[in-house]
Amino acid sequence: SYELTQPPSVSVSPGQTARITCSGDALPKQYAYWYQQKPGQAPVLVIYKDSERPSGIPERFSGSSSGTTVTLTISGVQAEDEADYYCQSADSSGTLVFGGGTKLTVL
Amino acid sequence: QVQLQESGPGLVKPSETLSLTCTVSGGSISSYYWSWIRQPPGKGLEWIGYIYYSGSTNYNPSLKSRVTISVDTSKNQFSLKLSSVTAADTAVYYCARNAYSNYVPPVNYFDYWGQGTLVTVSS
Repeated sequence: SYELTQPPSVSVSPGQTARITCSGDALPKQYAYWYQQKPGQAPVLVIYKDSERPSGIPERFSGSSSGTTVTLTISGVQAEDEADYYCQSADSSGTLVFGGGTKLTVL
Repeated sequence: QVQLQESGPGLVKPSETLSLTCTVSGGSISSYYWSWIRQPPGKGLEWIGYIYYSGSTNYNPSLKSRVTISVDTSKNQFSLKLSSVTAADTAVYYCARNAYSNYVPPVNYFDYWGQGTLVTVSS
């Protein structure tokens, strides 16, 4: 089955830039999406179609794509950005897949 | 603003069928795809399957043999049934709306989510 691979954890100090990667063989042909999930809450979409930002999401959240890897970048990280982040995409048959998730710690 | 609310038993016995309903408010269930997603305690997200308002479905192959998703447009609801449950099916179950288009490349992601409901499988 198709898998998306994320690092389990990323740590940054406030004000620094956090980069979370997601790798998958189908990513050159499929869009990627990113969700933020805080404890006890439902996920919230922060990036869609690799690099588009929904309304209401701060400009410090951005996305990019290069080959089989997509990256979520959070510039000027704030304490409130501490959360789990999941990438999501699809395989060639339309099965929707999530990455394993990355815990972002703000030191 | 579209809102989704899951409902159903919080405790299911092993080997029985888990049944949940998602009620959509603030918008019509028509013309959209609707998904179920689950998250075991302390673990990641897993897509279960989706249904179009017309009734066509697509399921995660890993769960396909045990899953049925149905829709009731008159009630603005869609439902999940998962049969032969075990402790491994204990999870928070979310319903969500799919933002979908069949362009190339296709677009399919979750733009609205319910708050989630914990279902525990235990005797």
